[in-house]
Amino acid sequence: DTEVTQTPKHLVMGMTNKKSLKCEQHMGHRAMYWYKQKAKKPPELMFVYSYEKLSINESVPSRFSPECPNSSLLNLHLHALQPEDSALYLCASSPESSYQPQHFGDGTRLSIL
Amino acid sequence: GQQLNQSPQSMFIQEGEDVSMNCTSSSIFNTWLWYKQDPGEGPVLLIALYKAGELTSNGRLTAQFGITRKDSFLNISASIPSDVGIYFCAGHQGGTSYGKLTFGQGTILTVHP
Repeated sequence: DTEVTQTPKHLVMGMTNKKSLKCEQHMGHRAMYWYKQKAKKPPELMFVYSYEKLSINESVPSRFSPECPNSSLLNLHLHALQPEDSALYLCASSPESSYQPQHFGDGTRLSIL
Repeated sequence: GQQLNQSPQSMFIQEGEDVSMNCTSSSIFNTWLWYKQDPGEGPVLLIALYKAGELTSNGRLTAQFGITRKDSFLNISASIPSDVGIYFCAGHQGGTSYGKLTFGQGTILTVHP
């Protein structure tokens, strides 16, 4: 079992819907990450939070809005998504946003109708 | 963005055979990581390498951090059916890329019983 928990596991939404993805870790990690992954491709970094502050935004469209309410939680708010946004969205955490390994959750499979 | 050159892209082997895959880069990395991803799950950390020349084992898995800091390999000995999955190498460069992992394209491993 992964120590990074993501909900929901699956999400189907229309292009006009608003939904949120949630990620939780209780390992005391101070860095958390959002990735987007297409089938059989490597994860692509979207956002990095370090000590609850956004430290990296990889030029992600504004229809994706991250939020870090506290050191254990990470949200990704979705609005007006496009069909090409359908993918596996992975959350990861690491002790700090440095060279320490990142540990991934099992992801949310997102389908945009 | 920058990617690591991971090879082979796919491997079809018989149970019991040994497997070798590698990643190379034109840039120096400070950390090399190897992950395995099963269908419907997130990447799982297999081995982390922190020093040039370092050789680390995890059960039947052995990985090495290249002496030039530009490459790494992963060996799997006596493969079993549950070794099936996608293996990703990843690296940290440090410096201004603090918190960012660069991934290889992945090696898809199929093991025939």
